[in-house]
Amino acid sequence: AQKITQTQPGMFVQEKEAVTLDCTYDTSDQSYGLFWYKQPSSGEMIFLIYQGSYDEQNATEGRYSLNFQKARKSANLVISASQLGDSAMYFCAMRVGLGGYNKLIFGAGTRLAVHP
Amino acid sequence: KAGVTQTPRYLIKTRGQQVTLSCSPISGHRSVSWYQQTPGQGLQFLFEYFSETQRNKGNFPGRFSGRQFSNSRSEMNVSTLELGDSALYLCASSSTTGFGANVLTFGAGSRLTVL
Repeated sequence: AQKITQTQPGMFVQEKEAVTLDCTYDTSDQSYGLFWYKQPSSGEMIFLIYQGSYDEQNATEGRYSLNFQKARKSANLVISASQLGDSAMYFCAMRVGLGGYNKLIFGAGTRLAVHP
Repeated sequence: KAGVTQTPRYLIKTRGQQVTLSCSPISGHRSVSWYQQTPGQGLQFLFEYFSETQRNKGNFPGRFSGRQFSNSRSEMNVSTLELGDSALYLCASSSTTGFGANVLTFGAGSRLTVL
């Protein structure tokens, strides 16, 4: 079964510190993509970072990096130098298969609170 | 470049009614997919349309339907509303080439409340 697991319902971090949000996935497919999205209270899902299953380097996008450990089936999001505006829900998601099909399987999410 | 536009943003319906939600994708994006978000079930895939054809469908009853027009705009319809249909309905669009094929851009959602 294809599944995304986020085991941290909530996380707290001090402003300017780094934080790691955990994500593990389960799929028997060899080709898949892993995403992280941020959802502020406004509701819009904001794309943060993407990692393809065949990408050998960990993805990075500014303050966001994805710690991809294929053998452990984990795709943790690392946010460096947290900012107050980073307070939001964070979702890990997986797209399985080729062809650009856009069915994403989402985890339950982690609520991140950044304290001053 | 305009983002994904969803209308209406908020709506209230009563049980048994039907509702139609609209989604205008980013210009040039031909794929539109819909997701339902509820506190209990989280984010669940409803369906995806590409070039006016449904090419993927989630595990939802037939009361949930959608369509896509030639300009890539999409609508989803829910008939015979139930209390459990109360949710945030998110639309996402994607381009079809290169890296763009891997990234879904979401709209702000339509929040449906069923009384």
